[in-house]
Amino acid sequence: DQQVKQNSPSLSVQEGRISILNCDYTNSMFDYFLWYKKYPAEGPTFLISISSIKDKNEDGRFTVFLNKSAKHLSLHIVPSQPGDSAVYFCAASEGANSKLTFGKGITLSVRP
Amino acid sequence: GAVVSQHPSWVICKSGTSVKIECRSLDFQATTMFWYRQFPKQSLMLMATSNEGSKATYEQGVEKDKFLINHASLTLSTLTVTSAHPEDSSFYICSARQGGVYNSPLHFGNGTRLTVT
Repeated sequence: DQQVKQNSPSLSVQEGRISILNCDYTNSMFDYFLWYKKYPAEGPTFLISISSIKDKNEDGRFTVFLNKSAKHLSLHIVPSQPGDSAVYFCAASEGANSKLTFGKGITLSVRP
Repeated sequence: GAVVSQHPSWVICKSGTSVKIECRSLDFQATTMFWYRQFPKQSLMLMATSNEGSKATYEQGVEKDKFLINHASLTLSTLTVTSAHPEDSSFYICSARQGGVYNSPLHFGNGTRLTVT
């Protein structure tokens, strides 16, 4: 049973435009959410996180939005750059120090 | 920032042999490390939680006698794949969280590509 879902396997956007990556979860006990970026044959790199007490967290070009009622979060990257091309994983946990449950990832391609 | 080092980055072994993978937190202490596994185009699946000085906690469906985990110090955890078979071929990734830092995210090593022939 997939508790964290990234239903779109891929996304392609033009350089300079906004990339919106979506994630849904089913476990209502999740209260801490993270986004990771991953290149092939490398480990994931932490991008940004959000606690369930917030609905938005921003860090430079990256903003994560959380809609608890819809059990949905999204990662916005603006402006998108070719170097952002990678696989992005959404992850969630029950508490900030607990194990993470990952989605299947979405492959973002940013076209020059 | 927090750095997690994993070694080796890739390994090829023959069926029936054992392989040890090391995971080190380089600039912080980690009382807990996590071992993940990723198959091609799939999600990262948690295998086990490695606790310093105590037994690891394995996820459902993961054979503890096959995947031996040792967390002997605050900076080192090892995963040994015993009697490896081709179906164990996968990408293994460890991660650790910096202790004492509020809401510290998990930091991942660069993974180990295991190929069993």
